[in-house]
Amino acid sequence: NAGVTQTPKFQVLKTGQSMTLQCAQDMNHEYMSWYRQDPGMGLRLIHYSVGAGITDQGEVPNGYNVSRSTTEDFPLRLLSAAPSQTSVYFCASRHPAEGYTFGSGTRLTVV
Amino acid sequence: GENVEQHPSTLSVQEGDSAVIKCTYSDSASNYFPWYKQELGKGPQLIIDIRSNVGEKKDQRIAVTLNKTAKHFSLHITETQPEDSAVYFCAASINNAGNMLTFGGGTRLMVKP
Repeated sequence: NAGVTQTPKFQVLKTGQSMTLQCAQDMNHEYMSWYRQDPGMGLRLIHYSVGAGITDQGEVPNGYNVSRSTTEDFPLRLLSAAPSQTSVYFCASRHPAEGYTFGSGTRLTVV
Repeated sequence: GENVEQHPSTLSVQEGDSAVIKCTYSDSASNYFPWYKQELGKGPQLIIDIRSNVGEKKDQRIAVTLNKTAKHFSLHITETQPEDSAVYFCAASINNAGNMLTFGGGTRLMVKP
């Protein structure tokens, strides 16, 4: 089925560990983005990309890196995890006329 | 930057009643306003959106209104059903491309049968 696929669904990290959250879409959307969702704060934009080879920072980029080598994939990297990064992470892609399609999320806990 | 405030944070209604969720935004340049529904354990799903050149838009039991002068927009759900129970988010974007969506804090809607 067409859509946005995120892996893993759940992850527990120790402080200081690194990991990559994977995101892939099969809709040939140029625009992709990463959001984090914290209780009572809605979704906040971390990084976004308007096409392969192009990325830019959102509202809360510190502690996260992204790359966009292909149209389909947009991984999010945590280089040194901190407890403040405990959150639910959503990847989304966008069709200009149809708005955003979100993945099902990755629930990350940093202990 | 843009700031979006959403009220109420929780809303409980009886099945069949109407529900209204309101949002205000700060940047008068914003011109795209989507609404998302998020069910437990799932990602947000677009349910309706409105652009600044339109004052109202309807889709069956759902409608959105926009007041550009007052910088606020609202979601109206009529004849609510238990399956409408979810968290609803409003958002605003400074351009039609929606690259930088700013979300409200969310409203938990509970429809009691």
